[in-house]
Amino acid sequence: QSALTQPRSVSGSPGQSVTISCTGTSSDVGGYNYVSWYQQHPGKAPKLMIYDVSKRPSGVPDRFSGSKSGNTASLTISGLQAEDEADYYCCSYAGSYKRFGGGTKLTVL
Amino acid sequence: EVQLVESGGGLVKPGGSLRLSCAASGFTFSNAWMSWVRQAPGKGLEWVGRIKSKTDGGTTDYAAPVKGRFTISRDDSKNTLYLQMNSLKTEDTAVYYCTTGYGDVDYWGQGTLVTVSS
Repeated sequence: QSALTQPRSVSGSPGQSVTISCTGTSSDVGGYNYVSWYQQHPGKAPKLMIYDVSKRPSGVPDRFSGSKSGNTASLTISGLQAEDEADYYCCSYAGSYKRFGGGTKLTVL
Repeated sequence: EVQLVESGGGLVKPGGSLRLSCAASGFTFSNAWMSWVRQAPGKGLEWVGRIKSKTDGGTTDYAAPVKGRFTISRDDSKNTLYLQMNSLKTEDTAVYYCTTGYGDVDYWGQGTLVTVSS
């Protein structure tokens, strides 16, 4: 049950777009349309940003979007803002359990 | 307003035991599938385990690193979720979060810190 693979860090300037990838296997990311993405600011609990691969909970800006191709899911943040600087985690259903990604630190330059 | 409040964390020696509690309010606890997620200091999130609602069987599933050592249970009369942790190891040191949700509904507690050290 190793973690899903995410880049350790990504960065972008305000107004730019960034994409964070999340690679798993056919037993998790590729096998189910149940990938979610969480944003976590230091010292805070994670916040759900995307669920079921590409759906946004109410209140999440439409600058955040999700997609999936094969065993890799992606989170794209467009029109970067300073408050987007945080850690991002993907999470996939994997049958009887869930698997998180290792996390990606987003820096807004 | 939904609230999940964890308690019971603290310092424990390797090999010791600890029981965490999560008091829930603001939703129908008995219908909810509840999970524990942990985060070691400076590290990522790790799914620990989940218990289904009694109407869905009340069964539990665990991550491989804790299977056989940790037990999740619930008391629907008290709206409380538990995590019994036995044979604790230094690598179990983490903030433990109680969480629930389905689809776009997702709630987390503030977490409780468990430190396993001699």
